[in-house]
Amino acid sequence: QKEVEQDPGPLSVPEGAIVSLNCTYSNSAFQYFMWYRQYSRKGPELLMYTYSSGNKEDGRFTAQVDKSSKYISLFIRDSQPSDSATYLCAMSGPYNQGGKLIFGQGTELSVKP
Amino acid sequence: EADIYQTPRYLVIGTGKKITLECSQTMGHDKMYWYQQDPGMELHLIHYSYGVNSTEKGDLSSESTVSRIRTEHFPLTLESARPSHTSQYLCASSGPGHKSEKLFFGSGTQLSVL
Repeated sequence: QKEVEQDPGPLSVPEGAIVSLNCTYSNSAFQYFMWYRQYSRKGPELLMYTYSSGNKEDGRFTAQVDKSSKYISLFIRDSQPSDSATYLCAMSGPYNQGGKLIFGQGTELSVKP
Repeated sequence: EADIYQTPRYLVIGTGKKITLECSQTMGHDKMYWYQQDPGMELHLIHYSYGVNSTEKGDLSSESTVSRIRTEHFPLTLESARPSHTSQYLCASSGPGHKSEKLFFGSGTQLSVL
């Protein structure tokens, strides 16, 4: 069983829609939770970073962590065609693992104009 | 914007060849990593380094080797490439302390071994 599960999609939405991306995990020791965005033929770039439980908002993006359910989410409001990419969840812990992250397999998102 | 560079971007070679994938960063980061990514699959850590002359193997077994002679440079070498080595190789770096989970990735090298 994988430590991190992520629906690979693909997910197709119209421009302006609210997008919800999710990951579940099995290791209750994870403390650091991240979302990376990867455009085609590019490396991933960090989008959101959360330590422990709670919500974090940055512009149109909101990250949520529910440690009791071992479930994390990324919400994108007013989605744009430029949001079309693969979104990877990643996590580590319990202590600072120095960049040794466990990744989900990514969800491919397409936002149609 | 992150300054981490990988060369070549694409490489097609024959079986048995020795190859080196280059990775350099200009951010002065002590920590550097190599991840492997296959289509539709998770990134897997194959090597990491926490500083000069320090290298460790990651969770995914790999026949590749790495070296860290200079802070900014973290090359990956395959002594004898095989078709099973065909994959995307991503180099990354991160800063100290609580910033170390925040990885900066290069654009990757897509390796095809025929």
